[in-house]
Amino acid sequence: EVQLVQSGAEVKKPGESLKIFCKGSGYSFSSYWIAWVRQMPGKGLEWMGIIYPGDSDTRYSPSFQGQVNISVAKSINTAYLQWSSLRASDSAMYFCARRRTTLTARDFDYWGQGTLVTVSS
Amino acid sequence: ESVLTQSPGTLSLSPGERATLSCRASQSVSSNYLAWYQQKPGQPPRLLIHDASTRATGIPDRFSGSGSGTDFTLTITRLEPEDFAVYYCQQYVRSPPVYSFGQGTKLEIK
Repeated sequence: EVQLVQSGAEVKKPGESLKIFCKGSGYSFSSYWIAWVRQMPGKGLEWMGIIYPGDSDTRYSPSFQGQVNISVAKSINTAYLQWSSLRASDSAMYFCARRRTTLTARDFDYWGQGTLVTVSS
Repeated sequence: ESVLTQSPGTLSLSPGERATLSCRASQSVSSNYLAWYQQKPGQPPRLLIHDASTRATGIPDRFSGSGSGTDFTLTITRLEPEDFAVYYCQQYVRSPPVYSFGQGTKLEIK
């Protein structure tokens, strides 16, 4: 069974750093792109970036370039989303999602359960 | 930058009725690169339709997608109580490589 399991909820202060994770199982983790998607409270979905675990090729949304870092440890089937200095506006639910692996697929067939990040002084 | 605009923002219907949700792109989208998702409160999104009209694995046949170019539609025939949720369309643009979502349509019980 394919699963993406994300790390638990976080409460942080502005200026603090944070790294959340997404661990895949039940499939060949290295062969599928993993995306990160933000959902602010009561709002829609925003694509942040995507990484290919096989070679760590990473693409960012222009809106998030320089604001976050996406990385992967393929030996432990885990992708990461990291902030060096959080802001209150980073408070949101963050989802990881697996991109379907066909030559033309550009959509996401499995999703993690989400990690709620709250940034407050 | 290609933007997806979904309409209506909210759709109020009764179980058993037919729902028609629209997704319009500001630039032409390859049909391979248009998908629809359903999201219920407290849950992650679920892939319903990919390649504009292909149902994802396990999706009931009351869900169908259509359209091409800049205009796409998600149709749900014979609404079931569990279909009331928020629906998002999503596109991929090749150059530069960007994924984006529409703002969502909330399907609520009338």
